Amino acid sequence: GENVEQHPSTLSVQEGDSAVIKCTYSDSASNYFPWYKQELGKRPQLIIDIRSNVGEKKDQRIAVTLNKTAKHFSLHITETQPEDSAVYFCAAHSGGGADGLTFGKGTHLIIQP
Amino acid sequence: NAGVTQTPKFQVLKTGQSMTLQCAQDMNHNSMYWYRQDPGMGLRLIYYSASEGTTDKGEVPNGYNVSRLNKREFSLRLESAAPSQTSVYFCASSASPGQGLLYAGYFGPGTRLTVL
Repeated sequence: GENVEQHPSTLSVQEGDSAVIKCTYSDSASNYFPWYKQELGKRPQLIIDIRSNVGEKKDQRIAVTLNKTAKHFSLHITETQPEDSAVYFCAAHSGGGADGLTFGKGTHLIIQP
Repeated sequence: NAGVTQTPKFQVLKTGQSMTLQCAQDMNHNSMYWYRQDPGMGLRLIYYSASEGTTDKGEVPNGYNVSRLNKREFSLRLESAAPSQTSVYFCASSASPGQGLLYAGYFGPGTRLTVL
């Protein structure tokens, strides 16, 4: 089955700086890669996603890049703000089926004022 | 739209007791899922239902059963709860590839379960 590795487990950045979270996946058939943000005590919420036929996607301060050859994808947050503090999860899904997402173990992003 | 709803929000059980977690979605999604979230482990898939009338095991199915009651509802049952099942349980739904919608998984608010 799919295996998703996520790094780092904790990331502390100064407010206004950029943050980058990286994930690798093992199943070359995976073709959908969402990112979720989870605030303390809340549900995971989708913040951005990318499909395997696209190399990069951007939504305001958030961007995701995908390298299919190397089987890795990354989340980039620019101009970080205090409200960006949360746990971020990457995930991967194999195409053609509805058998759920495989998640990374999460990155705790801390924005220092 | 309420999205994905779950009941109860909190539950404390004694070892050996049984209970059912309820989940419902109003987004007309074909697929529904149950995940558990433990510290440092991320989210792990327990069971899923690709469409009404079908269910399949995920990564960690032992000790659980599920029922896809109809398109909207997907329940998770613990027949004989164990302390190892102390966790936060999330239900999720998504469109399936054949629905022509974005796959993205939408999560319910979670059930915090403690087994003593």
